[in-house]
Amino acid sequence: ETGVTQTPRHLVMGMTNKKSLKCEQHLGHNAMYWYKQSAKKPLELMFVYNFKEQTENNSVPSRFSPECPNSSHLFLHLHTLQPEDSALYLCASSQELLDAWEQFFGPGTRLTVL
Amino acid sequence: GESVGLHLPTLSVQEGDNSIINCAYSNSASDYFIWYKQESGKGPQFIIDIRSNMDKRQGQRVTVLLNKTVKHLSLQIAATQPGDSAVYFCAETREGNNRLAFGKGNQVVVIP
Repeated sequence: ETGVTQTPRHLVMGMTNKKSLKCEQHLGHNAMYWYKQSAKKPLELMFVYNFKEQTENNSVPSRFSPECPNSSHLFLHLHTLQPEDSALYLCASSQELLDAWEQFFGPGTRLTVL
Repeated sequence: GESVGLHLPTLSVQEGDNSIINCAYSNSASDYFIWYKQESGKGPQFIIDIRSNMDKRQGQRVTVLLNKTVKHLSLQIAATQPGDSAVYFCAETREGNNRLAFGKGNQVVVIP
Protein backbone atom coordinates (compact mmCIF):
# COMPACT_ATOMS: atom_id res chain seq x y z
CA GLU A 1 0.00 0.00 0.00
CA THR A 2 1.20 3.49 -0.85
CA GLY A 3 -0.65 5.34 1.89
CA VAL A 4 -3.00 6.95 -0.62
CA THR A 5 -6.54 5.60 -0.84
CA GLN A 6 -9.23 6.38 -3.39
CA THR A 7 -12.94 5.69 -3.40
CA PRO A 8 -14.82 4.43 -5.20
CA ARG A 9 -12.56 2.10 -7.17
CA HIS A 10 -15.09 1.86 -9.98
CA LEU A 11 -17.83 4.25 -11.00
CA VAL A 12 -20.37 4.17 -13.80
CA MET A 13 -22.40 7.30 -14.33
CA GLY A 14 -24.70 8.86 -16.86
CA MET A 15 -24.01 12.19 -18.47
CA THR A 16 -26.59 13.93 -16.30
CA ASN A 17 -25.37 12.50 -13.00
CA LYS A 18 -23.38 14.24 -10.31
CA LYS A 19 -20.79 12.20 -8.47
CA SER A 20 -17.65 12.75 -6.45
CA LEU A 21 -14.33 10.98 -6.25
CA LYS A 22 -12.50 10.91 -2.94
CA CYS A 23 -8.82 10.69 -2.17
CA GLU A 24 -7.17 10.45 1.24
CA GLN A 25 -3.48 10.32 2.02
CA HIS A 26 -2.09 9.04 5.31
CA LEU A 27 1.46 10.20 4.72
CA GLY A 28 1.40 13.68 6.18
CA HIS A 29 2.10 15.17 2.78
CA ASN A 30 1.32 18.75 1.88
CA ALA A 31 0.82 18.54 -1.88
CA MET A 32 -1.89 16.59 -3.68
CA TYR A 33 -2.63 16.01 -7.35
CA TRP A 34 -5.35 14.76 -9.66
CA TYR A 35 -4.36 12.99 -12.86
CA LYS A 36 -6.35 11.53 -15.74
CA GLN A 37 -5.05 8.32 -17.32
CA SER A 38 -6.57 7.39 -20.67
CA ALA A 39 -5.64 4.47 -22.86
CA LYS A 40 -2.63 5.11 -25.09
CA LYS A 41 -2.00 8.58 -23.66
CA PRO A 42 0.46 9.83 -21.08
CA LEU A 43 -0.79 10.70 -17.62
CA GLU A 44 -2.43 14.10 -17.76
CA LEU A 45 -2.05 16.39 -14.78
CA MET A 46 -5.38 18.03 -13.93
CA PHE A 47 -5.03 19.88 -10.64
CA VAL A 48 -2.40 20.58 -8.03
CA TYR A 49 -3.01 21.57 -4.42
CA ASN A 50 -0.43 22.75 -1.92
CA PHE A 51 -1.45 23.24 1.71
CA LYS A 52 -5.12 23.09 0.62
CA GLU A 53 -4.65 25.86 -1.95
CA GLN A 54 -5.02 25.16 -5.63
CA THR A 55 -1.81 26.04 -7.40
CA GLU A 56 -2.52 24.65 -10.82
CA ASN A 57 -5.49 24.00 -13.06
CA ASN A 58 -4.23 22.45 -16.24
CA SER A 59 -7.00 23.80 -18.49
CA VAL A 60 -9.48 21.29 -17.15
CA PRO A 61 -13.15 21.71 -18.20
CA SER A 62 -15.41 23.15 -15.54
CA ARG A 63 -17.42 19.93 -15.38
CA PHE A 64 -14.54 18.74 -13.15
CA SER A 65 -14.48 20.62 -9.87
CA PRO A 66 -11.79 19.84 -7.27
CA GLU A 67 -12.05 20.44 -3.55
CA CYS A 68 -9.35 20.19 -0.93
CA PRO A 69 -10.76 20.71 2.59
CA ASN A 70 -7.47 19.85 4.26
CA SER A 71 -4.03 18.55 3.35
CA SER A 72 -5.12 14.93 3.74
CA HIS A 73 -8.27 14.92 1.62
CA LEU A 74 -8.93 15.71 -2.00
CA PHE A 75 -12.18 15.45 -3.89
CA LEU A 76 -13.09 15.63 -7.55
CA HIS A 77 -16.70 16.58 -8.15
CA LEU A 78 -18.11 15.47 -11.46
CA HIS A 79 -21.18 16.77 -13.28
CA THR A 80 -22.52 16.56 -16.83
CA LEU A 81 -19.57 14.52 -17.99
CA GLN A 82 -19.05 13.27 -21.51
CA PRO A 83 -18.24 9.72 -22.65
CA GLU A 84 -14.71 10.83 -23.54
CA ASP A 85 -14.18 11.58 -19.85
CA SER A 86 -14.15 7.85 -19.20
CA ALA A 87 -10.71 7.08 -17.82
CA LEU A 88 -8.74 6.11 -14.74
CA TYR A 89 -8.52 9.05 -12.35
CA LEU A 90 -5.48 8.95 -10.15
CA CYS A 91 -4.77 10.89 -7.02
CA ALA A 92 -1.22 11.44 -5.81
CA SER A 93 0.58 13.24 -3.03
CA SER A 94 4.10 14.42 -2.33
CA GLN A 95 5.79 15.69 0.79
CA GLU A 96 6.14 19.17 -0.60
CA LEU A 97 5.16 20.76 -3.87
CA LEU A 98 8.79 21.00 -4.80
CA ASP A 99 9.15 17.24 -4.27
CA ALA A 100 6.85 16.55 -7.20
CA TRP A 101 9.38 14.07 -8.55
CA GLU A 102 8.46 11.54 -5.87
CA GLN A 103 4.73 11.26 -5.89
CA PHE A 104 2.77 8.54 -4.17
CA PHE A 105 -0.24 7.41 -6.16
CA GLY A 106 -3.50 5.90 -5.11
CA PRO A 107 -5.00 2.94 -6.99
CA GLY A 108 -7.29 5.16 -9.00
CA THR A 109 -10.99 5.31 -9.76
CA ARG A 110 -12.04 3.68 -13.00
CA LEU A 111 -14.74 5.98 -14.36
CA THR A 112 -17.14 5.04 -17.13
CA VAL A 113 -19.49 7.68 -18.50
CA LEU A 114 -22.45 6.32 -20.41
CA GLY B 1 5.52 21.60 -23.74
CA GLU B 2 7.87 18.87 -22.70
CA SER B 3 7.71 15.59 -24.57
CA VAL B 4 8.71 12.29 -23.11
CA GLY B 5 8.19 9.09 -25.04
CA LEU B 6 9.05 5.43 -25.12
CA HIS B 7 10.52 3.51 -28.04
CA LEU B 8 8.85 0.09 -27.61
CA PRO B 9 5.22 -0.47 -26.73
CA THR B 10 5.62 -4.02 -25.37
CA LEU B 11 8.57 -6.01 -24.14
CA SER B 12 8.30 -9.75 -23.57
CA VAL B 13 11.11 -11.20 -21.50
CA GLN B 14 11.88 -14.62 -20.16
CA GLU B 15 11.92 -14.96 -16.40
CA GLY B 16 15.47 -14.63 -15.17
CA ASP B 17 16.65 -12.60 -18.14
CA ASN B 18 17.51 -8.92 -17.98
CA SER B 19 15.09 -6.29 -19.27
CA ILE B 20 15.89 -2.95 -20.82
CA ILE B 21 13.27 -0.26 -21.26
CA ASN B 22 14.12 2.85 -23.21
CA CYS B 23 12.82 6.37 -23.12
CA ALA B 24 13.53 9.50 -25.14
CA TYR B 25 12.97 13.00 -23.83
CA SER B 26 13.02 16.29 -25.65
CA ASN B 27 13.37 18.95 -22.96
CA SER B 28 17.07 19.59 -22.50
CA ALA B 29 16.25 21.79 -19.49
CA SER B 30 15.03 18.80 -17.51
CA ASP B 31 17.35 17.90 -14.69
CA TYR B 32 15.47 15.16 -12.93
CA PHE B 33 14.32 11.86 -14.41
CA ILE B 34 12.19 9.22 -12.79
CA TRP B 35 10.93 5.74 -13.56
CA TYR B 36 7.53 4.64 -12.34
CA LYS B 37 6.01 1.15 -12.43
CA GLN B 38 2.29 0.56 -12.72
CA GLU B 39 0.94 -2.91 -12.04
CA SER B 40 -2.53 -3.91 -13.15
CA GLY B 41 -5.18 -2.37 -10.92
CA LYS B 42 -2.73 -0.09 -9.12
CA GLY B 43 -1.44 3.41 -9.43
CA PRO B 44 2.10 4.22 -10.58
CA GLN B 45 4.83 3.49 -8.06
CA PHE B 46 8.17 5.29 -7.85
CA ILE B 47 11.08 2.99 -8.74
CA ILE B 48 14.21 5.05 -9.13
CA ASP B 49 15.33 8.52 -10.10
CA ILE B 50 18.44 10.14 -11.47
CA ARG B 51 19.68 13.70 -11.61
CA SER B 52 21.09 15.21 -14.75
CA ASN B 53 24.57 15.45 -13.24
CA MET B 54 24.75 11.65 -13.14
CA ASP B 55 24.83 9.10 -15.92
CA LYS B 56 24.11 5.98 -13.92
CA ARG B 57 22.35 5.05 -10.75
CA GLN B 58 21.71 1.63 -9.27
CA GLY B 59 18.97 0.38 -7.04
CA GLN B 60 17.85 -3.04 -6.01
CA ARG B 61 17.90 -5.06 -9.27
CA VAL B 62 17.35 -1.88 -11.26
CA THR B 63 19.77 0.47 -12.95
CA VAL B 64 18.91 3.74 -14.65
CA LEU B 65 21.18 5.14 -17.32
CA LEU B 66 21.04 8.69 -18.58
CA ASN B 67 22.63 9.90 -21.80
CA LYS B 68 22.11 13.64 -21.98
CA THR B 69 23.89 13.93 -25.31
CA VAL B 70 21.15 12.04 -27.09
CA LYS B 71 18.44 12.72 -24.50
CA HIS B 72 17.95 9.08 -23.72
CA LEU B 73 16.98 7.33 -20.53
CA SER B 74 16.87 3.61 -19.89
CA LEU B 75 15.83 1.28 -17.11
CA GLN B 76 17.54 -2.05 -16.73
CA ILE B 77 15.96 -4.76 -14.63
CA ALA B 78 18.22 -7.63 -13.64
CA ALA B 79 16.94 -11.20 -13.36
CA THR B 80 13.39 -10.23 -14.31
CA GLN B 81 10.71 -11.81 -12.17
CA PRO B 82 6.97 -12.35 -12.75
CA GLY B 83 6.29 -9.50 -10.33
CA ASP B 84 8.08 -7.17 -12.73
CA SER B 85 5.23 -7.51 -15.23
CA ALA B 86 3.80 -4.01 -15.42
CA VAL B 87 3.73 -0.81 -17.42
CA TYR B 88 6.80 1.32 -16.92
CA PHE B 89 6.71 5.09 -17.32
CA CYS B 90 9.56 7.49 -17.54
CA ALA B 91 8.99 11.02 -16.34
CA GLU B 92 10.98 14.19 -16.25
CA THR B 93 10.94 17.47 -14.44
CA ARG B 94 13.11 20.34 -13.39
CA GLU B 95 14.20 20.75 -9.81
CA GLY B 96 11.80 23.11 -8.10
CA ASN B 97 9.08 22.39 -10.62
CA ASN B 98 5.80 20.99 -9.40
CA ARG B 99 5.00 19.19 -12.61
CA LEU B 100 6.01 15.78 -13.90
CA ALA B 101 5.85 15.05 -17.63
CA PHE B 102 5.14 11.36 -18.15
CA GLY B 103 5.80 9.20 -21.18
CA LYS B 104 3.16 6.95 -22.66
CA GLY B 105 4.34 3.78 -20.95
CA ASN B 106 5.90 0.51 -21.98
CA GLN B 107 4.32 -2.82 -21.15
CA VAL B 108 6.70 -5.48 -19.83
CA VAL B 109 5.45 -9.06 -19.89
CA VAL B 110 7.50 -11.67 -18.06
CA ILE B 111 7.22 -15.18 -19.44
CA PRO B 112 7.59 -17.87 -16.76
